[in-house]
Amino acid sequence: NAGVTQTPKFQVLKTGQSMTLQCAQDMNHNSMYWYRQDPGMGLRLIYYSASEGTTDKGEVPNGYNVSRLNKREFSLRLESAAPSQTSVYFCASSMTGMNTEAFFGQGTRLTVV
Amino acid sequence: GENVEQHPSTLSVQEGDSAVIKCTYSDSASNYFPWYKQELGKRPQLIIDIRSNVGEKKDQRIAVTLNKTAKHFSLHITETQPEDSAVYFCAASIRGNNRLAFGKGNQVVVIP
Repeated sequence: NAGVTQTPKFQVLKTGQSMTLQCAQDMNHNSMYWYRQDPGMGLRLIYYSASEGTTDKGEVPNGYNVSRLNKREFSLRLESAAPSQTSVYFCASSMTGMNTEAFFGQGTRLTVV
Repeated sequence: GENVEQHPSTLSVQEGDSAVIKCTYSDSASNYFPWYKQELGKRPQLIIDIRSNVGEKKDQRIAVTLNKTAKHFSLHITETQPEDSAVYFCAASIRGNNRLAFGKGNQVVVIP
């Protein structure tokens, strides 16, 4: 039982490049989330998927897209990376909504140069 | 939308002393309040949570208290140990319960 698995752990991109962050959970959770963490800013929600087949914008969705591929997988795509997207990205999942325990992945440290 | 604020931003305590972190929230409809601990370079992990129908919850050395009237909740760590050094995030559910609003985090440093 791996919990929430994110790939890659580290990534360096050039401005304008694209990439997809992958996330998978094996806990049969319904809800999945993508957060970014910046110094002094806490955890800010980018996008979330309350259940398979649905996605919604969070606080800071601009410059990102997501896909809930199936119940297990929720990917985050940067179409044209910008230096402002340099951050640590966390995927999380919970059984139903965020009023139950959320489990986080190990994080992806992304640097855009 | 929901606004969650944490105070103080940094807290240093002597090993063995108690630490208290306070959070305030703005949405009176919030009904779920978790606390997450994040050690350096690690992922956030839930340490304790409380729901709006409960005023206090305790788990060994940690406890959380909730005052719905004043819209604040606090994390209490007793007999602090070096492994308690971490960033602690409070959060509050947003109306509809599909999302959480997180505070900006408190750095707790336990001095041996």
